[in-house]
Amino acid sequence: GENVEQHPSTLSVQEGDSAVIKCTYSDSASNYFPWYKQELGKGPQLIIDIRSNVGEKKDQRIAVTLNKTAKHFSLHITETQPEDSAVYFCAARAGNQFYFGTGTSLTVIP
Amino acid sequence: DAGVIQSPRHEVTEMGQEVTLRCKPISGHNSLFWYRQTMMRGLELLIYFNNNVPIDDSGMPEDRFSAKMPNASFSTLKIQPSEPRDSAVYFCASSFTSGYNEQFFGPGTRLTVL
Repeated sequence: GENVEQHPSTLSVQEGDSAVIKCTYSDSASNYFPWYKQELGKGPQLIIDIRSNVGEKKDQRIAVTLNKTAKHFSLHITETQPEDSAVYFCAARAGNQFYFGTGTSLTVIP
Repeated sequence: DAGVIQSPRHEVTEMGQEVTLRCKPISGHNSLFWYRQTMMRGLELLIYFNNNVPIDDSGMPEDRFSAKMPNASFSTLKIQPSEPRDSAVYFCASSFTSGYNEQFFGPGTRLTVL
């Protein structure tokens, strides 16, 4: 089955700096890679996703890159704000199942 | 659409009691997933259904756990008997099966077994 690894587990950045979270996956058949943001007491919410036929996608301050050859994908948040503080999960879809990373707790220091 | 609906939001029970968690997926979605989230193990897939049929229940920890989906708009996750180590947040999520379709999560049920 698919195995998704995520790093780092915790990340602290100063407000205005960039944050990068990286994930690797093992199943070359995985074709869809969403990123979720989970705030305290809430369920994960999709913030951006990328399909296997695309190398990069951007939505305002958030971008995701995908390297299919190396089987890794990354989340980039620029100009971080305190409200970006949350736990972020990467995931890979293989078949009908979603496989999640272990999460990154991001703290943006004002 | 109201999104994925879960009930109850919080459940506190005593060891040995039966617990039933409920989920209403987004209308039109044909896949439903039950996850468990703990600090130690992160987000674990317990079981998922496609068109109301259980496809993969390999994540169900033991026979005390069971899940049903009697129709396209309702699913239950039951723990009988419950144990303190079952304490966790349980999420239900739904999606379309085919294509590059995102998975929508419910707000979760926080279960505490004393």
